Amino acid sequence: AQSVTQLGSHVSVSEGALVLLRCNYSSSVPPYLFWYVQYPNQGLQLLLKYTSAATLVKGINGFEAEFKKSETSFHLTKPSAHMSDAAEYFCAVSPPPVFGPGTRLSVLP
Amino acid sequence: DTGVSQNPRHKITKRGQNVTFRCDPISEHNRLYWYRQTLGQGPEFLTYFQNEAQLEKSRLLSDRFSAERPKGSFSTLEIQRTEQGDSAMYLCASSSRTVSTDTQYFGPGTRLTVL
Repeated sequence: AQSVTQLGSHVSVSEGALVLLRCNYSSSVPPYLFWYVQYPNQGLQLLLKYTSAATLVKGINGFEAEFKKSETSFHLTKPSAHMSDAAEYFCAVSPPPVFGPGTRLSVLP
Repeated sequence: DTGVSQNPRHKITKRGQNVTFRCDPISEHNRLYWYRQTLGQGPEFLTYFQNEAQLEKSRLLSDRFSAERPKGSFSTLEIQRTEQGDSAMYLCASSSRTVSTDTQYFGPGTRLTVL
């Protein structure tokens, strides 16, 4: 069965600092990989997705993620954090759809 | 494209009552998913439809849960004899299956509270 782990349930960074949210997956076949963001009291919004094209995927709001098959990882990064990035971030693999437990990102002024 | 909509947004019920939620997907999407999300957790897959056919059900979906998508458009999720453990956010998502991707678009969810 597929699984997704996200190291760190809560990550805090200072405004302007690098954001790194970790995601590792287990899958017996090449998966599709996704990062979603969930703002308080809102639905999940797709940030970016990997679908076996380029291993470096660029998403919205300046986020990007790199697929590393040898490490079974799909870490999410952003060079410079903004206060508006504070939210819950979920990594997911498909098919079938399996979500990680989420990482709450706090951005400190 | 009006997005995925869910109704009601909030539902409070007493233990033992039945509840029904509705999801209206993006109009051209043929796949529809239901998830359950509890506080501090990621969404847990419950079931999905391709058109009107229910193709997969999670073992999380007990006999008290039933989902339908009778005309391949909107879907309903019914929970019978609700229990306090059913309290959660129920999310619906839709997608348009292509060869290379299955990007899901999520609705705002229905928050269920069982007293």
